[in-house]
Amino acid sequence: GQNIDQPTEMTATEGAIVQINCTYQTSGFNGLFWYQQHAGEAPTFLSYNVLDGLEEKGRFSSFLSRSKGYSYLLLKELQMKDSASYLCAVSTDSWGKLQFGAGTQVVVTP
Amino acid sequence: SAVISQKPSRDICQRGTSLTIQCQVDSQVTMMFWYRQQPGQSLTLIATANQGSEATYESGFVIDKFPISRPNLTFSTLTVSNMSPEDSSIYLCSVEGGGTPSSYNEQFFGPGTRLTVL
Repeated sequence: GQNIDQPTEMTATEGAIVQINCTYQTSGFNGLFWYQQHAGEAPTFLSYNVLDGLEEKGRFSSFLSRSKGYSYLLLKELQMKDSASYLCAVSTDSWGKLQFGAGTQVVVTP
Repeated sequence: SAVISQKPSRDICQRGTSLTIQCQVDSQVTMMFWYRQQPGQSLTLIATANQGSEATYESGFVIDKFPISRPNLTFSTLTVSNMSPEDSSIYLCSVEGGGTPSSYNEQFFGPGTRLTVL
């Protein structure tokens, strides 16, 4: 079967750093995505990793280790608007089919 | 980036009826995907729609319940047939890429259709 696991919820204060871990076991692997989803809205793309290592994009960074089936999303200098659900998704074929984790609800407090 | 629109944005339907959801993309794309997001849950892939061929359904989803059309490279429809309250969900379409190498691996989602079945 396919398993994509991430924590249910994380809480952090404004200005802090939060790391959201994702572990996966899938039948195919063509890259790992992170999405942000605010309540009542569609997911928006944050990052894509297909090779091992760290990808940095402003306040957000994403890391991948294919041998360990592990990724993390790092959110730095947290802002109140970062309160949202963060979805880890694995592309399981070359056509872009995605399997999603259950999502991690990040709550940023003042 | 690809811009995706969906119609309707929301609907309330009676049990036993059917609803067709439209997805329009502003650029030609090979694959379109339909997802369901039930209340409080993450996204589940329903099917992959390729222009000119039958859609490919994921385990637990069948064509009779969720027929899909893909008449051209910018448009697709998903029908939720013979609805029951368990079909109450948000239905989203998505596409891969935006036509440029840097956006090839990005996936873009439509705004979703919020369906409530009474």
